[in-house]
Amino acid sequence: GAVVSQHPSRVICKSGTSVKIECRSLDFQATTMFWYRQFPKKSLMLMATSNEGSKATYEQGVEKDKFLINHASLTLSTLTVTSAHPEDSSFYICSARGQGANYNEQFFGPGTRLTVL
Amino acid sequence: GQSLEQPSEVTAVEGAIVQINCTYQTSGFYGLSWYQQHDGGAPTFLSYNALDGLEETGRFSSFLSRSDSYGYLLLQELQMKDSASYFCAATYTGFQKLVFGTGTRLLVSP
Repeated sequence: GAVVSQHPSRVICKSGTSVKIECRSLDFQATTMFWYRQFPKKSLMLMATSNEGSKATYEQGVEKDKFLINHASLTLSTLTVTSAHPEDSSFYICSARGQGANYNEQFFGPGTRLTVL
Repeated sequence: GQSLEQPSEVTAVEGAIVQINCTYQTSGFYGLSWYQQHDGGAPTFLSYNALDGLEETGRFSSFLSRSDSYGYLLLQELQMKDSASYFCAATYTGFQKLVFGTGTRLLVSP
């Protein structure tokens, strides 16, 4: 089956620093990647959708200058949390959709737990 | 807006059958998916319904009624490992994304 990896799995950083999270599709080309945020015992909230080679589309209320998304290749998307603050601490999950696949056919990465001190 | 409602928690015993319900907004609705997520893990796809009726995949089945804007996930022969969170997720015409439900935490006891 399709595999999506994320790196790092866990990161702790100081307030004010920036953190980059990578999302890779290992055995398929992902024309679309999605970034979600999940608080403990809560649902997945879509932050943004990125298509390879174009700018990401952010959901309402998500600061695009704070959460920078790059989808430079068909197998890699990155999320950079700039000037992180404790309220940015969360579980960040990416997913990927292959070319021609329906939008319900998303394969999820294992997530990255970000803790901002 | 697009919102999907689920019960927050369901408890059951091993070997039992449990049904997790999901109600969704009708306008533009296209299809309903179900995902399982263990604590700290990735959501994994379970089932998808675009048409009314029952889809069966092993111990898991999913049902959709478009006229009632309602679906459910049915888990049979429950096992301890089925303890997890379950999310319904909808796709809507014109929106290139999944909208996740509020999630249901299933606790299976011996």
